[in-house]
Amino acid sequence: RKEVEQDPGPFNVPEGATVAFNCTYSNSASQSFFWYRQDCRKEPKLLMSVYSSGNEDGRFTAQLNRASQYISLLIRDSKLSDSATYLCVVEDTDKLIFGTGTRLQVFP
Amino acid sequence: GAVVSQHPSRVICKSGTSVKIECRSLDFQATTMFWYRQFPKQSLMLMATSNEGSKATYEQGVEKDKFLINHASLTLSTLTVTSAHPEDSSFYICSAEIWTSGGAGDTQYFGPGTRLTVL
Repeated sequence: RKEVEQDPGPFNVPEGATVAFNCTYSNSASQSFFWYRQDCRKEPKLLMSVYSSGNEDGRFTAQLNRASQYISLLIRDSKLSDSATYLCVVEDTDKLIFGTGTRLQVFP
Repeated sequence: GAVVSQHPSRVICKSGTSVKIECRSLDFQATTMFWYRQFPKQSLMLMATSNEGSKATYEQGVEKDKFLINHASLTLSTLTVTSAHPEDSSFYICSAEIWTSGGAGDTQYFGPGTRLTVL
C-alpha cells in the first residue's frame, strides 16, 4: 500500500462548481498533514495545513479523519485560476511524504 | 505504481566535504527529474530541472557549480552538494516526471527526501 494515495484525476469542473479531493495515508502515527498546490512544472506551494478539527481558508476547507486515515480538500466556487495539481502531503518524523496529486481543470 | 527512491535518506558530513544524493525512478523511465530544497514552515524551492542526457536547468539564485546535477540515465539523477557548509543543511527532495494516460498528463512522483546536516 502506498504511504499516501490520491485519485490522479483529472477533475474537469465548470467555474463556480464545488469539488472535493480525498487522500488516504497508511501510517497511523503521522502527525501533520498538508495540502499543496502545484502548477505545471513549478514547485509545490503550501496551500493549507490540515487540523483535526477541520479548517477553512476562504473557499478552501480541509478535513482530517484520523480514524479512517483520510484527508479531504473542498474547493467551493471554483475559479479558472484554481486549475492545478493538488498534492496531499503527510509529515512522518522529519520528512514529507507526497501523494501523486490530483489534477483539477476548471473550465469557463 | 510509480516509485521514486532517494539515497541516502540521511547524511551528516563535515564542512567542506562533498555529498552526493541519488534519485532513482524504480519502475519507470523519467526523462525529466526535479530537485527541490525544503525550507522551514514546509515551503519548497525548485532548484533545478534535470533532463536525461543534457545539462540541468537551474533556477535563479541556485549556484550550478555548487549543486552539480547529473542525469546519467532515464532512471537516475544525482545531486552533488560540493564543499558543503552548514547553511546547506536542509531536506532535499527529488521528483520524477512521467506521462500518464487517461487525461492526467504529466505526473510528478516525489522521492522520500534526503536530510543533509553539515557540521
